[in-house]
Amino acid sequence: EDKVVQSPLSLVVHEGDTVTLNCSYEVTNFRSLLWYKQEKKAPTFLFMLTSSGIEKKSGRLSSILDKKELFSILNITATQTGDSAVYLCAGGTSYGKLTFGQGTILTVHP
Amino acid sequence: SAVISQKPSRDICQRGTSLTIQCQVDSQVTMMFWYRQQPGQSLTLIATANQGSEATYESGFVIDKFPISRPNLTFSTLTVSNMSPEDSSIYLCSVEVPTRYNEQFFGPGTRLTVL
Repeated sequence: EDKVVQSPLSLVVHEGDTVTLNCSYEVTNFRSLLWYKQEKKAPTFLFMLTSSGIEKKSGRLSSILDKKELFSILNITATQTGDSAVYLCAGGTSYGKLTFGQGTILTVHP
Repeated sequence: SAVISQKPSRDICQRGTSLTIQCQVDSQVTMMFWYRQQPGQSLTLIATANQGSEATYESGFVIDKFPISRPNLTFSTLTVSNMSPEDSSIYLCSVEVPTRYNEQFFGPGTRLTVL
C-alpha cells in the first residue's frame, strides 16, 4: 500500500522565521511529488517535482526532491501570517493516483 | 489551470438519506477524481471517475455506497448513499491538467454533515 508521511505534524513560528517541512514517501509506480496548501476547503497547488535535485522556487517558497532517499522538503523563508495553513504533500503514480500525507499544520504568529 | 465548481457547497442531511454532489469543469479533462476529507484528516481518494465506463474505486470504497457518474469530459457526480454520521466530511472533486500528468486541481469542496 502506498504511504506518504509528513513531519512535523504541526509547527508554530513567528513572522520572519524560516521553516522546513518534510515529506517521505513509499509509492509504487512513482511519477511525481506534489505540494499543496490548504487554508479552508480546497487545496491549492504549489509545486510538482519529478526530478531529483532540481529545486523549484516560487517567491519565498521552494522545494526539492530526493528520489534516492524517497524524500522531499518544502522551505518557506521570511514567513508571514498569511502562510498559516495546512501543507499537504502527495505522491503521484504513473496512472494518475495521488496519495496524500497527513499534512503539516503551520501557524505563523505576528 | 481549470476552473472547477461543485454543488452544493454544503449540506446537512438526515441519516439514511442520499446526497448527490455535482462537479463541473470549464474545459474538457480526461481524468477526474473524488476525494473525501474527514474532520482533522488528510485527503483520501474515493475513486477515479472514468468517462464512458464505470468508476475505479479505491480499497475501502464501493459503488453501492458511492455511485459515480461521468457522462462527459466536463461533468461528474458523486452520490453518498444511505448516509450515517460517519459520512460527515468534505468531499472534493479534482481534475488532472491535460499534458501535466499528476498535477491535479481541486474544486471548492462540499461540506456534508449527517445528523
